[in-house]
Amino acid sequence: AQSVTQLDSQVPVFEEAPVELRCNYSSSVSVYLFWYVQYPNQGLQLLLKYLSGSTLVKGINGFEAEFNKSQTSFHLRKPSVHISDTAEYFCAVTRNRDDKIIFGKGTRLHILP
Amino acid sequence: EPEVTQTPSHQVTQMGQEVILRCVPISNHLYFYWYRQILGQKVEFLVSFYNNEISEKSEIFDDQFSVERPDGSNFTLKIRSTKLEDSAMYFCASSEATSGERRFFGPGTRLTVL
Repeated sequence: AQSVTQLDSQVPVFEEAPVELRCNYSSSVSVYLFWYVQYPNQGLQLLLKYLSGSTLVKGINGFEAEFNKSQTSFHLRKPSVHISDTAEYFCAVTRNRDDKIIFGKGTRLHILP
Repeated sequence: EPEVTQTPSHQVTQMGQEVILRCVPISNHLYFYWYRQILGQKVEFLVSFYNNEISEKSEIFDDQFSVERPDGSNFTLKIRSTKLEDSAMYFCASSEATSGERRFFGPGTRLTVL
């Protein structure tokens, strides 16, 4: 079975500073990896996904993530955050394209002025 | 871009009442899902649906829950007798059959059970 661990429940960071949200997964088979964002009072929006190929994946809003198979990680990064990035970020994994998605517990990103 | 829609956006009900949450998946999608998110907790898988039947369900999806695709466009989640702990945000999602790596989520329905 797959599982996702997001070690940080909350990450405070100053505006315009870089940020990294950590995600580790476990699976006995190849997986697809995702990052979703949930802005306050809104639904889930796909930020980026890793299916295959280049391990560095670029997403919307300047976010990127790097798939590291040896460390079973898929950390999300942004070089300079903005106040509008305040949201909850969920790392997720699925076994195949149409299987259920397993979500991590989420990391709440607080942008400090 | 196509989107998944859900109605209502917020549903308030009394404990023990039946509720039906509605979703309109993207028109050419064949795989459908329901997830829920209890306030402050992670998003949890409930059920997946394909070819007019449940393909997988979680432990949460007990006999009180059912899903249906009553016509060619709607996908519903019914809770027969709501409990306080059913209060959550319920997300519908759909994906294409062949290139299903793109899974679209709806905006969610917030269910409040009093």
